[in-house]
Amino acid sequence: DAKTTQPPSMDCAEGRAANLPCNHSTISGNEYVYWYRQIHSQGPQYIIHGLKNNETNEMASLIITEDRKSSTLILPHATLRDTAVYYCIVRPRLLSNFGNEKLTFGTGTRLTIIP
Amino acid sequence: NAGVTQTPKFQVLKTGQSMTLQCAQDMNHEYMSWYRQDPGMGLRLIHYSVGAGITDQGEVPNGYNVSRSTTEDFPLRLLSAAPSQTSVYFCASSPPGQGALDEQFFGPGTRLTVL
Repeated sequence: DAKTTQPPSMDCAEGRAANLPCNHSTISGNEYVYWYRQIHSQGPQYIIHGLKNNETNEMASLIITEDRKSSTLILPHATLRDTAVYYCIVRPRLLSNFGNEKLTFGTGTRLTIIP
Repeated sequence: NAGVTQTPKFQVLKTGQSMTLQCAQDMNHEYMSWYRQDPGMGLRLIHYSVGAGITDQGEVPNGYNVSRSTTEDFPLRLLSAAPSQTSVYFCASSPPGQGALDEQFFGPGTRLTVL
């Protein structure tokens, strides 16, 4: 799986958009970008994933650059409950259940929402 | 649905003791996995299962055993606990089908201390 680079920490004011960057310059053509977050002491929570087109769901938007070497997770209106560690993960999107499926978590970005 | 449940929430063991961490899901997910998370580090895969009767090793399997006799349950056994196994353990599951592992559902974690 391609490695990812994220800033160790970021702050964002409550109500503003939080933009979390991720570099994945060695990403290959069949690898997707996934984002998870982990709120203190809880299990990780899936946020969103994408291949090359921008994606949006009820939680966030994912912007992937045209060369796919970096991406940005956008939380449009950050709240205090969004304070968490955010993980950017790059891996193939397997079409079967057989194989070494896993998520390789790095150390992520610790996002703090400031009141 | 209860989702992914883990018991116990906390456990203290002495070196050499054995125990089983329980994980259950009621979503009929075929894929289940165990991760450990150490302070300041991301999650590391211990063992995983793609269905009842099928298990395989992740990146840090030593000292742990698993079995998968039913779709719902995926227990993790520590045969002879060591202080290096002090960690937070997370169980996860995901549904079958195309795009397997697009979204993994994590349990609340078990905090294990080995003295």
